[in-house]
Amino acid sequence: EIVMTQSPATLSVSPGEKATLSCRASQSVSRDLAWYQQKPGQAPRLLIYASSTRVTGTPARFTGSGSGTEFSLTISSLQSEDFAVYYCQQYNNWPRTFGQGTKVEIK
Amino acid sequence: EVQLAQSGAEVKKPGESLKISCKGSGYRFSNYWIGWVRQMPGKGLEWMGIIHPSDSDTRYRPSLQGQVTISVDKSNNTAYVQWTSLKASDTAIYYCARGYGGNRDVFDVWGQGTVVTVSA
Repeated sequence: EIVMTQSPATLSVSPGEKATLSCRASQSVSRDLAWYQQKPGQAPRLLIYASSTRVTGTPARFTGSGSGTEFSLTISSLQSEDFAVYYCQQYNNWPRTFGQGTKVEIK
Repeated sequence: EVQLAQSGAEVKKPGESLKISCKGSGYRFSNYWIGWVRQMPGKGLEWMGIIHPSDSDTRYRPSLQGQVTISVDKSNNTAYVQWTSLKASDTAIYYCARGYGGNRDVFDVWGQGTVVTVSA
């Protein structure tokens, strides 16, 4: 199965600053990559698919990029509601697999 | 409103059987894949499998094949995961989720999660 590795495990950022999260695949997944946000006690929420396409309702401050094995999610100016855990997920191969998550916390 | 409503929390002993459910509403249930995702205590997300209600076409994570059974009752708009013999390592939150746009790639609507605790 394809292993998804996210870095860093934890990112400490001040409100208003930019955050960049990374996701690496153990083999190429083309652009078949999604990002989810999960807050404590809640189910995950789909933010982005196809590497860079925002779903309806995802704020423009969230930008996804990358292809092949290297991907990133950038949050341009962190708002209080953005502090959460973010997961990447590939859907190029079976089984679909998630990264282990990056926690974005308040600095 | 599109919703997935999951069954309530369960506390079971090792070796017992269990079936949890996920009922869809607010959309044409038969047109969308339903997936299951596991989250062990304090851990990340693990993709378990996916089923299409129209024909019960199912894909499993290979490591879980034979350990769980994913099924669906399209007449009741409900998907299920069942175990015949639970282990302590099955303790987790189990989420069902709908395939976005009718495909089986990513999930756009999620249930609230079912907490399963397996302990002697």
